[in-house]
Amino acid sequence: LAKTTQPISMDSYEGQEVNITCSHNNIATNDYITWYQQFPSQGPRFIIQGYKTKVTNEVASLFIPADRKSSTLSLPRVSLSDTAVYYCLVGPYNQGGKLIFGQGTELSVKP
Amino acid sequence: DTEVTQTPKHLVMGMTNKKSLKCEQHMGHRAMYWYKQKAKKPPELMFVYSYEKLSINESVPSRFSPECPNSSLLNLHLHALQPEDSALYLCASSREIVDTDTQYFGPGTRLTVL
Repeated sequence: LAKTTQPISMDSYEGQEVNITCSHNNIATNDYITWYQQFPSQGPRFIIQGYKTKVTNEVASLFIPADRKSSTLSLPRVSLSDTAVYYCLVGPYNQGGKLIFGQGTELSVKP
Repeated sequence: DTEVTQTPKHLVMGMTNKKSLKCEQHMGHRAMYWYKQKAKKPPELMFVYSYEKLSINESVPSRFSPECPNSSLLNLHLHALQPEDSALYLCASSREIVDTDTQYFGPGTRLTVL
């Protein structure tokens, strides 16, 4: 299983771009990189998923370098409501559907 | 409709009580999951159901008993719990058990065991 490493916490201000980097040195050839967001007292929510290069949706962008040993979640112009824990997950796993959450990054957005 | 609902929202129970948590989805998903999340920790997988059959049990103690009566419902029966079982219990569903399939989570049930 590919282990992931993320910063435990990050601080930002409203309107700034936030980049959260996740390291996954032993990522396998058929692994995808997925990010989930969790607000306090809510379940995690899927944000974005990618395999290589760059993926963008209405919420975020995901940058994956050629060696795929790391990935960066980019949140453009954050607001107070982006305060949450962000989890980086790498799969597939040996048993289908088994999401393994790492420790996550607690993002705090200040006014 | 991309919603997973869970009831109750909060539950307080004694160590001798029997209670059940309920989860429901109407997205036509055939895989459903139970996770446990302690404060300031990531969710941990407990059980996975695929097509109403138990597919994965992550060595969960028998005081937790899952049940999938139909493709839309998932229950977690609780009996003789310990105070350390107090946590947020999350239900999730996905289209199928596929490694890259997005899982949709409910808001959770906050369980307190006295």
